[in-house]
Amino acid sequence: EAEVAQSPRYKITEKSQAVAFWCDPISGHATLYWYRQILGQGPELLVQFQDESVVDDSQLPKDRFSAERLKGVDSTLKIQPAELGDSAMYLCASSEGLAGAYEQYFGPGTRLTVT
Amino acid sequence: GQNIDQPTEMTATEGAIVQINCTYQTSGFNGLFWYQQHAGEAPTFLSYNVLDGLEEKGRFSSFLSRSKGYSYLLLKELQMKDSASYLCAVRDRGNAGKSTFGDGTTLTVKP
Repeated sequence: EAEVAQSPRYKITEKSQAVAFWCDPISGHATLYWYRQILGQGPELLVQFQDESVVDDSQLPKDRFSAERLKGVDSTLKIQPAELGDSAMYLCASSEGLAGAYEQYFGPGTRLTVT
Repeated sequence: GQNIDQPTEMTATEGAIVQINCTYQTSGFNGLFWYQQHAGEAPTFLSYNVLDGLEEKGRFSSFLSRSKGYSYLLLKELQMKDSASYLCAVRDRGNAGKSTFGDGTTLTVKP
């Protein structure tokens, strides 16, 4: 069964350092999402891609976060510089499309700890 | 924008039935999803409702009333493995189909 791949699974970094996360969606899925999930809360959308284009990044802290999906396949989310409040689970998800009953398939996530 | 409300925690007994409610306020509705998330794991899809009524899938059923901004997830014949967080997510009509998640309901199933 096809899965969304993410790496690394765990990352510990010091504040002010740069950190990057990678996601490879299910083959053929046009829509890719990056979420941040703080313990005890639901996932919060950071950025959504349709193919290589950003369709929603309204909640992305653009002064320190950036995301790209250059060829419309895999994607990278970067934080520079990391802050203590960035400690969370970063989830990547993909779906076949935007409209209709397209559920999102989530990867295992990257747990980030900023010290 | 979206405002989604779910109970924080629920407890039920193995073999019983439990109903997890979700209420929402939205400027444009285009479907509601339920996801299950075990501790430390990623969410997995359970159900999708876009029209009013009940959708049944094995031991899990989901109900939607668009006029009331209300949904529930019904779990029957509870098993210990059903202990998890249950997330309600509402999809926008616009905003490229953006889904906004509630904070989830943590269900504990006791023997």
